[in-house]
Amino acid sequence: KAGVTQTPRYLIKTRGQQVTLSCSPISGHRSVSWYQQTPGQGLQFLFEYFSETQRNKGNFPGRFSGRQFSNSRSEMNVSTLELGDSALYLCASSLASGPSSYNEQFFGPGTRLTVL
Amino acid sequence: AQRVTQPEKLLSVFKGAPVELKCNYSYSGSPELFWYVQYSRQRLQLLLRHISRESIKGFTADLNKGETSFHLKKPFAQEEDSAMYYCALRRNAGNMLTFGGGTRLMVKP
Repeated sequence: KAGVTQTPRYLIKTRGQQVTLSCSPISGHRSVSWYQQTPGQGLQFLFEYFSETQRNKGNFPGRFSGRQFSNSRSEMNVSTLELGDSALYLCASSLASGPSSYNEQFFGPGTRLTVL
Repeated sequence: AQRVTQPEKLLSVFKGAPVELKCNYSYSGSPELFWYVQYSRQRLQLLLRHISRESIKGFTADLNKGETSFHLKKPFAQEEDSAMYYCALRRNAGNMLTFGGGTRLMVKP
């Protein structure tokens, strides 16, 4: 089975621009989560989508948004980029998890975003 | 709000020595705790979860609710254990994980 794929792998943008990152989950996985990883803040949860609906959201400003398509592929968008948005953005997919069951999240390789 | 703390950024041990990577958490409810590992040039992957109470690659972790800790232990470290280890907490339905800052384990020959 193919793993989680993320495109592009590397991206350079300038302040004020916007960016869209893409994530293709493992076949059959309907939950997609996004995380931001920086040296200073570590791994921080951005949001989770399940069946095209946002199910959880982390503590990030509204400039960060996402969506999920009917084929479970997901995109995240960051508008009005700031220098501090430079980070590795990780996507993870899993089967749906419920209150009493957790299905392992499988992580992608990440997209390295650099904001100049 | 929930919080996960890994007090050591770097832990260096010799091969064959015991290893303990510390993880403390704060959460008012009943947490679900995990250890994730990232080997060099590989993806982040699940190592073990407290609810399964199993040993993976010789590693074990016990949830201590009194001390709010979930330390990862291995009696005899191997060089291939060198990696970045993250403790994580899941607090509700869904897949939202709160990660600690990570500990880099270096096992020297």
